[in-house]
Amino acid sequence: DGGITQSPKYLFRKEGQNVTLSCEQNLNHDAMYWYRQDPGQGLRLIYYSQIVNDFQKGDIAEGYSVSREKKESFPLTVTSAQKNPTAFYLCATSIGTDSLGNQPQHFGDGTRLSIL
Amino acid sequence: QKEVEQNSGPLSVPEGAIASLNCTYSDRGSQSFFWYRQYSGKSPELIMSIYSNGDKEDGRFTAQLNKASQYVSLLIRDSQPSDSATYLCAVKKDTGRRALTFGSGTRLQVQP
Repeated sequence: DGGITQSPKYLFRKEGQNVTLSCEQNLNHDAMYWYRQDPGQGLRLIYYSQIVNDFQKGDIAEGYSVSREKKESFPLTVTSAQKNPTAFYLCATSIGTDSLGNQPQHFGDGTRLSIL
Repeated sequence: QKEVEQNSGPLSVPEGAIASLNCTYSDRGSQSFFWYRQYSGKSPELIMSIYSNGDKEDGRFTAQLNKASQYVSLLIRDSQPSDSATYLCAVKKDTGRRALTFGSGTRLQVQP
């Protein structure tokens, strides 16, 4: 089945700990994105990548890091510098070849991160 | 001013009625507009996309775009209880960045 797989579904972080959220896709999409959603809020962009080995900061990148070594994978690390990490994290992909960006994004099922 | 604004609701409509959801955006150069539905505890699901002024219909859903007034709306005809969800408006701004800017969503409740 084609799709976007996020794991784990639930994750707990201890103080001072880094944790990594996985996002894998087999849609052959070029672009991948990480968003954060807080309760009752919209989605805020953390990082995005339009091609392999390249990524850009979004609106709330502080305390997060990413890598894009393979087209299929875009893991997000929540570092200890992120003081309020409790949120719903969503990975999305899009084909990303249209210069106008007329390719909608599709989302994985998300990872819920909480502080212990 | 938020870049993408939506009334948080809840918007309550009776079953079978038309639900009208509105969204305004601040970047006049925005090019692409999307409506996502998000059930509680789930990830957003794309319902409609619209790129040109006017109406676009898909089944019970109609998206309306007015770039001069900088608003986009979603009409849901014959609303069903299963339509009860939060509807997120998303906009691609006129930059090289392909990521979307989201509103905070409108919660819709369809009363049986």
